[in-house]
Amino acid sequence: QVQLVQSGAEVKKPGASVKVSCKASGYSFTSYGISWVRQAPGQGLEWMGWISAYNGNTNYAQKLQGRVTMTTDTSTTTAYLELGSLRSDDTAVYYCARTYSGYDYWGQGTLVTVSS
Amino acid sequence: EIVMTQSPATLSVSPGERATLSCRASQSVSSNLAWYQQKPGQAPRLLIYGASTRATGIPARFSGSGSGTEFTLTISSLQSEDFAVYYCQQYKNWPSTFGQGTKLEIK
Repeated sequence: QVQLVQSGAEVKKPGASVKVSCKASGYSFTSYGISWVRQAPGQGLEWMGWISAYNGNTNYAQKLQGRVTMTTDTSTTTAYLELGSLRSDDTAVYYCARTYSGYDYWGQGTLVTVSS
Repeated sequence: EIVMTQSPATLSVSPGERATLSCRASQSVSSNLAWYQQKPGQAPRLLIYGASTRATGIPARFSGSGSGTEFTLTISSLQSEDFAVYYCQQYKNWPSTFGQGTKLEIK
């Protein structure tokens, strides 16, 4: 069965970086893209970007340009999200999602807390 | 970027009744529209893609309609497990964008 399993919760100080992983299994990894979506406490869903697991092409939300990097490792079928220069308003649950038409499988979410 | 606007923000409906949720796009997204259900503490769950195609395992009481800029999610007979927050999403253009959500609550 298709599964996306994310890394555990993180607590970071302002200005630091965080790297979240998303281990995919149960499907052909390179046949789908991976999108990253975040959700601040009590808020809605915010699209962060997308990466092709086939060739590594990316598309990022403009507001995150320069701070966000998405990568994949096809040998371990894992996608990664790295976000730098963290601020308090980056505190959120971060989700990865398999992408085709819509996002049909989601990871369980990773809580990233940014606090001094 | 395309702005997605959902209405109403909160919808109060009794179990067994029909619920109709709306989503409007600021420009045409053709049929590149998905609907998600999210319960507290859980990841979103894909209900509908392509504006009207139910995702795998989604009950037939969920249906989607519309194209262009106006879309509707209908739940024909509400079950207790359907009370949740619902989001629409367009994936026609980058950046993909979500509506702000409609909270479906028990009346």
